Amino acid sequence: QKEVEQDPGPLSVPEGAIVSLNCTYSNSAFQYFMWYRQYSRKGPELLMYTYSSGNKEDGRFTAQVDKSSKYISLFIRDSQPSDSATYLCAMSATGFQKLVFGTGTRLLVSP
Amino acid sequence: DADVTQTPRNRITKTGKRIMLECSQTKGHDRMYWYRQDPGLGLRLIYYSFDVKDINKGEISDGYSVSRQAQAKFSLSLESAIPNQTALYFCATSDLKGGRANEQFFGPGTRLTVL
Repeated sequence: QKEVEQDPGPLSVPEGAIVSLNCTYSNSAFQYFMWYRQYSRKGPELLMYTYSSGNKEDGRFTAQVDKSSKYISLFIRDSQPSDSATYLCAMSATGFQKLVFGTGTRLLVSP
Repeated sequence: DADVTQTPRNRITKTGKRIMLECSQTKGHDRMYWYRQDPGLGLRLIYYSFDVKDINKGEISDGYSVSRQAQAKFSLSLESAIPNQTALYFCATSDLKGGRANEQFFGPGTRLTVL
């Protein structure tokens, strides 16, 4: 079993939809949770950074962490075609450890 | 200018050839990483370096070697390339001195094809 599981998709939605992207993990020591966005033929870029449980909002993006269920989510409101990309979750146990990545979910937002 | 640069961006080579991928960064970060990305397998860590004198193997280091020539430069070598090393390779950096030492910044990637 992988430490971090993520549905590869693709997830296809119409413009304006609310998108929910999710990851599950098995290591209860993870405390730092990140979401990266990767456009085709580009390197991943950090989208959201959270510590421990709870919600964090940044514009149309909300990151949610449920440590009791070992489950994290990224919500995108009012999705746009420019949100079409692969979204990777990443996590680590401490602020100094290297990251463990999910395999990524490909999102397609159609106009 | 990009903070993390990788050269070459694309490379086609033949089985058995030695190839070097280079990464440079102007971010002043002390930590550097090499990953490969394959469809369905995500990002897998090959090697990482926490400073110039510290090199560590990642989960898939067999067939690869690295050199940290300076704080800003980290090279990945394939001594004898094989077709299953065809992949997208990323360099990344992170900053121990900052408040988020595990936040990684990625380069644009090198697409390597081994025939």
